[in-house]
Parts: sequence; structure tokens; C-alpha cells
Amino acid sequence: QKEVEQDPGPLSVPEGAIVSLNCTYSNSAFQYFMWYRQYSRKGPELLMYTYSSGNKEDGRFTAQVDKSSKYISLFIRDSQPSDSATYLCAMSLSNTGKLIFGQGTTLQVKP
Amino acid sequence: ETGVTQSPTHLIKTRGQQVTLRCSSQSGHNTVSWYQQALGQGPQFIFQYYREEENGRGNFPPRFSGLQFPNYSSELNVNALELDDSALYLCASRNDRNTGELFFGEGSRLTVL
Repeated sequence: QKEVEQDPGPLSVPEGAIVSLNCTYSNSAFQYFMWYRQYSRKGPELLMYTYSSGNKEDGRFTAQVDKSSKYISLFIRDSQPSDSATYLCAMSLSNTGKLIFGQGTTLQVKP
Repeated sequence: ETGVTQSPTHLIKTRGQQVTLRCSSQSGHNTVSWYQQALGQGPQFIFQYYREEENGRGNFPPRFSGLQFPNYSSELNVNALELDDSALYLCASRNDRNTGELFFGEGSRLTVL
């Protein structure tokens, strides 16, 4: 069993839809949770960074962490074709450079 | 723009050869991490350097080694290349005085034939 599980998709939605991306994890000691966006042939770009449980909102993006269920989510409102990318969840035990990534979910937003 | 630059962007090597990949971090970013990303997979942690010392390593053999220099540049060296080493190699840096966000470069795509 992988430490972090993420449905690889692909996920295809129409423009304007609400997108829900999810990851589950097995290690209850994870404290820091991140979502990265990766366009084709590019490096991952940090979208959201959360410590411990709770919600965090930034524009059209909302990140949720439920440590009791070992489940994290990223919601994208009013999705745009420019949101088409691979979304990677990542987490770490402590505030270091060692992250455990999910496999990534490929999202396509159709005009 | 993350301020993390990597070179070369693409390279092709043959099995058994050695390769050096380079990374330049933002000024003040004392921690650099290297990741390997196979096609269709998430990045996997190789190792981390803090103030020029390795201080964390993932499940990679000793033929993967690194260096970090005082000018915020670093190297990843891979000896005795194998076909499975073909991947995107990502460098990431962070400033340990902030909240700890990790910023990635664009990566070096290595193909081993």
C-alpha cells in the first residue's frame, strides 16, 4: 500500500464546473499538506499549503484537510481551460524538504 | 517564477554512463531537495541538503549522490546509469525561516538508452 493514494484520472469537466480532487494517506503523523499543479513538461507549482486540519481558501481554490479520516481535498470553483493540468497532493511529517507525493490527477477542463 | 533554475533541460545518456545535473536556488534558500519523477508518477524524494550537508535521504542507492555549494547552487550525480533512471529530475528549495513552502524548478529530463 502506498503512503499516499490519489486517483490518477483522467478527469474531464466542462468549463465552469466545480472540481473536487482527493487524496488519502496512511501515516497519521503527517502534519503538512500541499497541493501542486504541474503543467506538461514543467515543474510542480505550489497552489495551497496547509498545516494540520482545517480549510484554506485562495481565490477559486479551497483546500480541506481531515486528519481524522486521513483525507485531503482540493476544490476548484468556476474551472477554466487554463486549469487543465496534473494536480499533485503532497504531505510531510515535519517542516522539511521531504515530501511524499500522490501519483497526481490529470484534469482537463473543456471550453 | 520560483527562482529555481535547472540545467540541462534535456539530456540523453547510455547505460553505464554518469550524469551531473545542476540547480541554482534563490538567495537565502538554505535547503535544497532533489526528486525523481517517472512518467505518470508523482515525484519521489531522493535526498535533501541543508547548509552543504546531506540531512535526509529517500530509498535511492548510493550511486545517487549530491553536493550543495555556498552560493545556493547544487548538483545531483548519478553513476552507472540504468534504463530505469530515465525520468524528470526536479530540484526544489526552501528558506527554513519561512513557513516551509517548497519551490520547484522546471526539471531536467534524462533519457537513458
